[in-house]
Amino acid sequence: EDKVVQSPLSLVVHEGDTVTLNCSYEVTNFRSLLWYKQEKKAPTFLFMLTSSGIEKKSGRLSSILDKKELFSILNITATQTGDSAVYLCAVGPPTGNQFYFGTGTSLTVIP
Amino acid sequence: DAGITQSPRHKVTETGTPVTLRCHQTENHRYMYWYRQDPGHGLRLIHYSYGVKDTDKGEVSDGYSVSRSKTEDFLLTLESATSSQTSVYFCAISRGGYEQFFGPGTRLTVL
Repeated sequence: EDKVVQSPLSLVVHEGDTVTLNCSYEVTNFRSLLWYKQEKKAPTFLFMLTSSGIEKKSGRLSSILDKKELFSILNITATQTGDSAVYLCAVGPPTGNQFYFGTGTSLTVIP
Repeated sequence: DAGITQSPRHKVTETGTPVTLRCHQTENHRYMYWYRQDPGHGLRLIHYSYGVKDTDKGEVSDGYSVSRSKTEDFLLTLESATSSQTSVYFCAISRGGYEQFFGPGTRLTVL
């Protein structure tokens, strides 16, 4: 059965800290991995990683994909209170357009 | 924000009653999805559609049906609501099965 596991489940840091969120997956015929940010409302899209794009960066956020070891990490540097949210990882196989989501990592950034 | 709306945004109903949730998009995207989000389970796919009148089941489809008679509308129906279907329901859209954009969500409570 396909499975996506995120760690840690929750994290509390101080402003300015750097955090690393993990996503490991066991998905048949992997095609793409997505990262989302969810702040008490709908998830918002952050990054998509595929075999042709294994590293993405946007401002203080960056993500890499290791297709051999079947995991991805999301890094956030110089964290701010606005980064407080649940971060979701989703992995999709090449057919059926079905994505499997992890349960998320809850990040709290303290001033 | 992607042009996705969901209605109703909140609903309280009783066990055994039928319930229909509506997702409406203005983006003309081909793919539409219904997810439910529960604590400890993350986002789980209920049903998805890859075109008008073309739908398929997700991992938690039991007790749910869907219909898509127009590109812009995707309906989720609970034929006979149960307390286990109390959840937050998200609709999502996608152009080609990669990044998905989510609607604001519907909070459903079944008493």
